[in-house]
This record gives sequence, structure tokens and C-alpha cells, in this order.
Amino acid sequence: EAAVTQSPRNKVAVTGGKVTLSCNQTNNHNNMYWYRQDTGHGLRLIHYSYGAGSTEKGDIPDGYKASRPSQENFSLILELATPSQTSVYFCASGAPVLYEQYFGPGTRLTVL
Amino acid sequence: GDSVTQTEGLVTLTEGLPVMLNCTYQSTYSPFLFWYVQHLNEAPKLLLKSFTDNKRPEHQGFHATLHKSSSSFHLQKSSAQLSDSALYYCALSEGDSNYQLIWGSGTKLIIKP
Repeated sequence: EAAVTQSPRNKVAVTGGKVTLSCNQTNNHNNMYWYRQDTGHGLRLIHYSYGAGSTEKGDIPDGYKASRPSQENFSLILELATPSQTSVYFCASGAPVLYEQYFGPGTRLTVL
Repeated sequence: GDSVTQTEGLVTLTEGLPVMLNCTYQSTYSPFLFWYVQHLNEAPKLLLKSFTDNKRPEHQGFHATLHKSSSSFHLQKSSAQLSDSALYYCALSEGDSNYQLIWGSGTKLIIKP
């Protein structure tokens, strides 16, 4: 049974629109992460969280917000989507002691 | 700052030949090293990680040895299979309270019959 799930799996948005990507984990991990993956850039960290109520900026936070309302849920919000945000977005949860991360299936976002 | 370098962006091999994907790192501390594998249209998943007890990690025929003297954690397999075709990421954790992974740029491995 999948421990990290993401919704939607595919999303087409218009420029200037608001987009919310959702992530749910049943691993009971404190840490959660949002990455985007683009050819030639690998995985880049956007935002992360140490637990409910906490959000931290990663390496490329501009244009993105994050929300962690509970241990299980972590959302990525694009208030004003732009075509440059077209990408595949992965959510991950992490076990502090093991330093490993477990990924969701990804969301393919296209901004037209 | 800490960094991970994967020098090969693309490696193409014939089935049955040995595989070696390079990973070198820079770190102020004694880090943990990881290899993640991502098959087409799937999520990255942990393949193996370095241990502190000098045991060589192995999984699905792949192994890697952490060499602190050369700051390397190369991924190896004795005989490539078609199903090994995937994107491979090397990643580093400083083992501190940051809990972030520092990622290499990835190596795409294509195995041909």
C-alpha cells in the first residue's frame, strides 16, 4: 500500500491561475519535502517541513508557498502560476533517524 | 558547501557487461551516501545507502563502497540487465539535524540487448 500519495497526478493550469498540489503520507514521518524535476536539473528542493505547522524554504522557493496543516498532509501552492513552473513535482517524506526519503508518484503540471 | 558530482549524464551499455556509475562528493562532515533509482514515469526510490559499520551495501545485484579517502561512492553491478535502464541519483546527507539530502544531477543508464 502506497505510503506517500499525491493529487492530482496530472494538472493543466492557465498562466496567472492558482494551483494547489497535495501530498499525503502514512509513514508517520516528521519531515516532508517538495521537489521539482526537470531534465538537466535533477531534483531541486522547493520547500520542506519538520512537522505540522512548520514550513521552510528550500533551494528554489520563489513563486511557491507550502502548507503543513497536519503530520500527514503537505501542500504546495502556486499563487500565480507561470509557464516556467511547468514540471514534474515530487513529494517525499523522511525518517529523521535514517535520513532516507520516500517519494510519492509525482504530479505532472503543465502551465499554459 | 557540500556537493555531489555525477560526471556522466548518460551511460549506454550492452546487456551482460559490467556497470559502474560514478559519484564523488565534497563534505565537511562524515556523510551518509545514497543511491536512488528512478524508472521511467515512476518515483525515485532508495536503491542502497552507505553504512558506518564498513559493510558493503548491496541490493538487486548493485553494490557501492564508500571510500572516504577519495570521497567516492561509485555504483557497480557485475552484469547489466535490460531492466536496469533507469535514471540513477547519488545523494548525500550530512547526518545532522537538517535532514536534507544533497542530490547529484543524475546519470541516465540505458542497457541495450
